[in-house]
Amino acid sequence: AQSVAQPEDQVNVAEGNPLTVKCTYSVSGNPYLFWYVQYPNRGLQFLLKYITGDNLVKGSYGFEAEFNKSQTSFHLKKPSALVSDSALYFCAVRRPRGSTLGRLYFGRGTQLTVWP
Amino acid sequence: DAGVIQSPRHEVTEMGQEVTLRCKPISGHDYLFWYRQTMMRGLELLIYFNNNVPIDDSGMPEDRFSAKMPNASFSTLKIQPSEPRDSAVYFCASSDSVENSPLHFGNGTRLTVT
Repeated sequence: AQSVAQPEDQVNVAEGNPLTVKCTYSVSGNPYLFWYVQYPNRGLQFLLKYITGDNLVKGSYGFEAEFNKSQTSFHLKKPSALVSDSALYFCAVRRPRGSTLGRLYFGRGTQLTVWP
Repeated sequence: DAGVIQSPRHEVTEMGQEVTLRCKPISGHDYLFWYRQTMMRGLELLIYFNNNVPIDDSGMPEDRFSAKMPNASFSTLKIQPSEPRDSAVYFCASSDSVENSPLHFGNGTRLTVT
């Protein structure tokens, strides 16, 4: 079975502190991994993706994510959080080949709150 | 590029009525997805199309739901008859055929069935 887990429903951090939003997956093969952000009353916006190569991926708005194959994790990070980063974050996985090509599996989302 | 365009943004209807949600994908994208978002179940994939052909509709809740894509620039999701439990935000997304391409989402239609 394919699945994506975001173990924390909420993450709270102070502005200026580093933040981590966790994601683990169980998808066969070598999947593509994505992070999306959703602001209130908006659709999901693409932040970054991992395809292959360097395990540290840099994306939009200063976010980065670290891929760890042995732990099947893809945690989202930012060295210094901003109040404007407060939003709902989704991890997603897409299989590279097979009958479900195109299908994206999403986690349940993690609400990030950055307080001033 | 205008992005993925969904209409209407908000829909309030009474139980039993027909509801039609509309989506215009990004030009050149050949994958189109319909998702539903609720607090209880999170994001659910309802159906997706490739080159206007439905590929996987296993997420469509029941026969009251139907989706069509008559051409590359337009898709509809119809609920007939609607029920209060259909209340949710419905998102349309599109992507190109490169397998590691991200999805581009519209801003959604918030459906309330009373």
